[in-house]
Amino acid sequence: GAVVSQHPSWVICKSGTSVKIECRSLDFQATTMFWYRQFPKQSLMLMATSNEGSKATYEQGVEKDKFLINHASLTLSTLTVTSAHPEDSSFYICSAGTGRTSYNEQFFGPGTRLTVL
Amino acid sequence: QKEVEQNSGPLSVPEGAIASLNCTYSDRGSQSFFWYRQYSGKSPELIMFIYSNGDKEDGRFTAQLNKASQYVSLLIRDSQPSDSATYLCAVNMRGTASKLTFGTGTRLQVTL
Repeated sequence: GAVVSQHPSWVICKSGTSVKIECRSLDFQATTMFWYRQFPKQSLMLMATSNEGSKATYEQGVEKDKFLINHASLTLSTLTVTSAHPEDSSFYICSAGTGRTSYNEQFFGPGTRLTVL
Repeated sequence: QKEVEQNSGPLSVPEGAIASLNCTYSDRGSQSFFWYRQYSGKSPELIMFIYSNGDKEDGRFTAQLNKASQYVSLLIRDSQPSDSATYLCAVNMRGTASKLTFGTGTRLQVTL
């Protein structure tokens, strides 16, 4: 159990376009999902916490109008990078907690590699 | 002071040896502690978590927690070349709900 999928696994787009990334929990329901970004040779940076049925909570310095997060159901959260620019090129990873324990472990999706030309 | 600190490495150990990875954290009220393994170009994979002082063993992996010293470690016995990866320590800090704070990771190299 605790499988998280992401789609697409990689995407190349032109500068100025928008890109949507989907994150799904396949065998459990996730009231909370997290979105991270990771630049080469750097650690994970939490972008936002996505809560089912409510607005996402963004970390300081993350533009909520640029990175739109929607958590429409207990198994799906989406991240839309609007008007993408080359500096948005990164590895975007989502995670989710099963809620089966009280220890807040997170399981990660395989990630989406975004390249903006 | 960083909230979660790890030595970036690389930590090089010969095949079959014990690899010891260390992590310190700043918030004394932190409640649960996680070790993730991340291969290059891949997403993190949960190895194990610990929440009580002492040792927790799972196969070749042992997590050790000392809350008084604000220190958590991961031991990998009988290290294999396939263990070569970056190991991320993550902490669920007090007052942060279910968020995890990650260290920058330690790169482990297991040599033949």
